[in-house]
Amino acid sequence: QSALTQPASVSGSPGQSITISCTGSSSDVGGYKYVSWYQQHPGKAPKVILYDVSNRPSGVSNRFYGSKSGNTASLTIPILQAEDEADYYCSSFTSRSTWVFGGGTKLTVL
Amino acid sequence: QVQLVESGGGVVQPGKSLRLSCATSGFSFSLFGMHWVRQTPGKGLEWVAFIWNDGSNKLYGDSVKGRFTVSRDNSKKTLFLQMTSLRAEDTAVYYCVKTLTMTGGEMDVWGQGTTVTVSS
Repeated sequence: QSALTQPASVSGSPGQSITISCTGSSSDVGGYKYVSWYQQHPGKAPKVILYDVSNRPSGVSNRFYGSKSGNTASLTIPILQAEDEADYYCSSFTSRSTWVFGGGTKLTVL
Repeated sequence: QVQLVESGGGVVQPGKSLRLSCATSGFSFSLFGMHWVRQTPGKGLEWVAFIWNDGSNKLYGDSVKGRFTVSRDNSKKTLFLQMTSLRAEDTAVYYCVKTLTMTGGEMDVWGQGTTVTVSS
């Protein structure tokens, strides 16, 4: 199972909007609503910030938004803050009853 | 609150075996499916295995199928990962992950991880 495709890096200034894409196929992202996003700060475990494409778990900031179109899911942060600097990963359930992750995106806040 | 504490990691020679444990607290362990996910140094995340809440069904990633076995002891609220025929490419931080709901497989809370190094 190939990893989902994410840009290696994204950057933006505080207050700006950024979007991270996650591209798969009809066998994973395009075929299921089970797409999640995770935030990982250096030396820490990943933390789920979105599940089922656009749902936020209890306690997660409402500044994170998720969407999906065809085989591509997207994470958008409309108003970037310094503490958003981290690595972001997407994941999807697949037609083979497995889960697959994206390669990760390093978000830099300038 | 939900706590997941992995243990059992260490340095092991290629071809050897290792058993990881994940002790849990703060939720009804027997009602939730559980995942193992690993992260190689400087690289991304890789899904390893999933086990149903009652242990009746198990799923594995291609790279570990036939070598790793996931199991659980609901009476002790503990998840296990038995790893055999270890390879250098199995070197990673291994996380146990609780699912978000009792019926789905979406990942929720992650432990802090335990490091496995396969080296001669």
